[in-house]
Amino acid sequence: GAGVSQSPSNKVTEKGKDVELRCDPISGHTALYWYRQSLGQGLEFLIYFQGNSAPDKSGLPSDRFSAERTGGSVSTLTIQRTQQEDSAVYLCASSLKGSGSYEQYFGPGTRLTVT
Amino acid sequence: AQSVTQPDIHITVSEGASLELRCNYSYGATPYLFWYVQSPGQGLQLLLKYFSGDTLVQGIKGFEAEFKRSQSSFNLRKPSVHWSDAAEYFCAVGGAGANNLFFGTGTRLTVIP
Repeated sequence: GAGVSQSPSNKVTEKGKDVELRCDPISGHTALYWYRQSLGQGLEFLIYFQGNSAPDKSGLPSDRFSAERTGGSVSTLTIQRTQQEDSAVYLCASSLKGSGSYEQYFGPGTRLTVT
Repeated sequence: AQSVTQPDIHITVSEGASLELRCNYSYGATPYLFWYVQSPGQGLQLLLKYFSGDTLVQGIKGFEAEFKRSQSSFNLRKPSVHWSDAAEYFCAVGGAGANNLFFGTGTRLTVIP
């Protein structure tokens, strides 16, 4: 079946502009995660959605970052007033359930470049 | 605090040689341990995982890893490396009640003929 998809694959934006990154999880997966991968760094957790529960936003680096998940499926990560330090690859993952014992399936990522 | 350390940023091995990638973790509860591989321009693919039981786990593509609780380690091994194994490898730790995984900074593997 189809895996996790993300769009766009690449995004170049000017400093100060807002951007939206989209994630389509695997159908039937109730848990969805956003991570950020900066050059030379590991993956940094941003936000987690599980079913209809309130999202875990503990990893969001500033209030310029927000995310929503509509209908328990598609998710959008929004970065307002982008800064150069926001340049990174943003990875989305989904899993069947939210417990740590379920494998996370990753999308190919969106490479964001802020000029 | 939860963390993962991958001490080797870059490793180069010859095709056909054996491989060991190191991973040490710090986790406050019973850890679930994972190795992921990332090829250029691709997402992460799960190689193997350890939750409990036999401390030597087998994964895809001929990889295996051994959990050593006393050393807080989960090293990845492969007896004979293929050129297609060139990629970035990430170790990660999570737990039953965790909402996310904690990843190491990755080890980039180069395979030379």
